[in-house]
Amino acid sequence: DSGVTQTPKHLITATGQRVTLRCSPRSGDLSVYWYQQSLDQGLQFLIHYYNGEERAKGNILERFSAQQFPDLHSELNLSSLELGDSALYFCASSEAFWTGGANEKLFFGSGTQLSVL
Amino acid sequence: SQQGEEDPQALSIQEGENATMNCSYKTSINNLQWYRQNSGRGLVHLILIRSNEREKHSGRLRVTLDTSKKSSSLLITASRAADTASYFCATPFMNYGGSQGNLIFGKGTKLSVKP
Repeated sequence: DSGVTQTPKHLITATGQRVTLRCSPRSGDLSVYWYQQSLDQGLQFLIHYYNGEERAKGNILERFSAQQFPDLHSELNLSSLELGDSALYFCASSEAFWTGGANEKLFFGSGTQLSVL
Repeated sequence: SQQGEEDPQALSIQEGENATMNCSYKTSINNLQWYRQNSGRGLVHLILIRSNEREKHSGRLRVTLDTSKKSSSLLITASRAADTASYFCATPFMNYGGSQGNLIFGKGTKLSVKP
């Protein structure tokens, strides 16, 4: 168990809908990262928050948004869903604000499998 | 794209054999990390090697790093059926300012260990 909790584990919805994915980081971790994993694109970085502030954006669509709350949990909001948004969405947490140090590894949750029908 | 690439994409071996996976990356790095993912599950960190290290061991894992060739290899010795998983290398992202934030993952090597 990584200590990172993601809910829900599975989500089935229709095109055009909006969903919210939730992530609780490991106790004490200030950084939360969101990744999208699909068969054709692999693991794509979406967004990084550190202690409530957005730190970096990756390949995140304008239809997607995220935030990190004062209690450090994070939510990823996906709107106007399309078939192509079907993927496994992971959040990961770490203590530090970056991954360039000697010990900056990420702890991953078990993911939310999103199916858009 | 700064994404690393693993090679081979898939590897099938018998229990007891060694498995070697390679990773190439494109930018200068401070560290390189390897992760494992069991089917449909979250990634699990295996080992981190710093840019000033050439080799690192952890149990049955051996990682090498060649910064001049921008490549790394992961060796799993005496493999077991439980090692069946996908293995990813990851490097810290370098932006224009040079600072490093999120990790960039390769597409992974799918390892199958047959009993």
